[in-house]
Parts: sequence; C-alpha cells; structure tokens
Amino acid sequence: GESVGLHLPTLSVQEGDNSIINCAYSNSASDYFIWYKQESGKGPQFIIDIRSNMDKRQGQRVTVLLNKTVKHLSLQIAATQPGDSAVYFCAEKISGNEKLTFGTGTRLTIIP
Amino acid sequence: DADVTQTPRNRITKTGKRIMLECSQTKGHDRMYWYRQDPGLGLRLIYYSFDVKDINKGEISDGYSVSRQAQAKFSLSLESAIPNQTALYFCATSDGHREKLFFGSGTQLSVL
Repeated sequence: GESVGLHLPTLSVQEGDNSIINCAYSNSASDYFIWYKQESGKGPQFIIDIRSNMDKRQGQRVTVLLNKTVKHLSLQIAATQPGDSAVYFCAEKISGNEKLTFGTGTRLTIIP
Repeated sequence: DADVTQTPRNRITKTGKRIMLECSQTKGHDRMYWYRQDPGLGLRLIYYSFDVKDINKGEISDGYSVSRQAQAKFSLSLESAIPNQTALYFCATSDGHREKLFFGSGTQLSVL
C-alpha cells in the first residue's frame, strides 16, 4: 500500500504486506528528516532519521528514502504487523535550527 | 516514554483560568521542549530550553510561558486559558548531540 501523507491521511494494509508511507516536505533548505510513530494515547516515538547527504537508510524492518529533487520522503515498513498500527509523522529540520516541522500524519491500519 | 513524565494526563478548565502543565525527565538531557498537537496540524513548537534558566520561544509562544528551574523539570503555563488552547500538549527532551526527540505521553487540555 502507498499513500501521500497530506492528501490521503489513512492507509490500510494487509498484515504481512509491505507498507509505504509518503511525505512531501516543504523547505528545500531542510537537511535532516525524521519519521515518528504515534500510537493511540502515547507520545510520538522515534523510528528512523536521515540526513540530506544520504538517499536511503535502513533500520529494523523500516527503510527511509529521500528524494531531494522533488522534496519527497518515504517510509517503508516490511512485513507489516498489527503493532505497526499508528499515526506516522514525517518531520524536517535545518541543522542548528531548533524548529522541527511536522507533517500532518498518516494513519496506518493493519487488516488481519 | 516512561523517562519523560507529564502531569496531569488530562485537564479540563474554564476560560480565564491559570493552568500549569508539568514535565519531568530522568534521561539527564539538557534540552527540553513543549509542543502542541492539533488535529490536522501536526505538532508545533511552543517553547524550548537548552539549560536551566534558558528559555527560547518557538513558533506559537503567544499566550504561554515556561519555567526551567531544574535540569529535569520544564513547566508550561497558560496565564489565562482560552478555548483555542484546547489541544494535546507534549513535552520532549534531547541530548543535543543527536537531533532525536524523546516525547512524554502528553497532556490533553480542554478549555471550556
């Protein structure tokens, strides 16, 4: 499944499938990007980050891709599990500036 | 994250009342932040602090004040609450070496 965070705020994926959550960021000067996961009733939890000198970074079951040309960021979750159900936020930042600009989020729902 | 504790978890108050939200952390981080989350708007930075007595405005500081009297504590005050301050408030910390934020579980504030 694939979504654009700002235009399709919900994404439903079959358990076991891969999920792709997209994010269009706004500032071409941003050089640091983060994905957060927010489960119901909890605060955002760090998933993975990437700096602008990279275009791909992998973690455990997650991969972040960065395309600076079109100012696009994506989060890929492999073999989606029920525990992945949450709202996912991308955030962008300029190094040295404390302002972290968050996107509006995409709600990921896992279908059993 | 249990290392960043916010109190209270929920608060209902009336317009014009003074409200204080508390945040304490056991991470030993120097940097602390207050964010506000509204549906459809993501998280926005209210105030941040790099050290005891250090206070910096974020993007939406009007109507709010903060106090950092100890490294582990950062409180947010609404001097005269108004209904459009109804939101979910998050405290976060960072160690300053990496830009990763650790969030508390949030305080849901309703101003009637």
